[in-house]
Amino acid sequence: AQKVTQVQTEISVVEKEDVTLDCVYETRDTTYYLFWYKQPPSGELVFLIRRNSFDEQNEISGRYSWNFQKSTSSFNFTITASQVVDSAVYFCALSEALFTSNGKLTFGQGTILTVHP
Amino acid sequence: NAGVTQTPKFQVLKTGQSMTLQCAQDMNHNSMYWYRQDPGMGLRLIYYSASEGTTDKGEVPNGYNVSRLNKREFSLRLESAAPSQTSVYFCASKYRDDNNSPLHFGNGTRLTVT
Repeated sequence: AQKVTQVQTEISVVEKEDVTLDCVYETRDTTYYLFWYKQPPSGELVFLIRRNSFDEQNEISGRYSWNFQKSTSSFNFTITASQVVDSAVYFCALSEALFTSNGKLTFGQGTILTVHP
Repeated sequence: NAGVTQTPKFQVLKTGQSMTLQCAQDMNHNSMYWYRQDPGMGLRLIYYSASEGTTDKGEVPNGYNVSRLNKREFSLRLESAAPSQTSVYFCASKYRDDNNSPLHFGNGTRLTVT
């Protein structure tokens, strides 16, 4: 069965520091999909990025970057020059191949990020 | 475009009471899901409906029932609420045949059972 573990439960940084949120996953499928979601204090879940198991290219979007490494089953998320608005709970999630998962996502327990001014 | 709409946003129940959480999406998605969020537990799948006319249990289905009323609507019912069901409930939807597409979530229902 699939499993997602977010290494840090809580992280506290000062504004402008870089911060990395670690995500480790387990799956028996060779085809799978990884996601990151952000949940700000207002409570909604905001989709940030997706990656499929065949694409190990790192991705950068502004201050956000993602490092996907199949060899270590990790999909880590880095925020560069953090800002107070980055304070949120961040979730890593995994979906296996369609015929086994029916699109279900398995979530990690979340990492609470607090950025202090 | 409303996306995924959940009602109500907040609800307080007494132990043993029943209620139905409503969810509707206007994105023509095939698949719909109900998750609950508890501190330190992430989001856990309660039930899902891969397509209209089908429903299946997720990780934590006990104490819940669901109805896929039509392609747009997927409701979650608590027949006899218990304090352990105090949680934030999220409905989500996606296209069934594209597993690379993300789940689209509603804004959640915060339920307290006393």
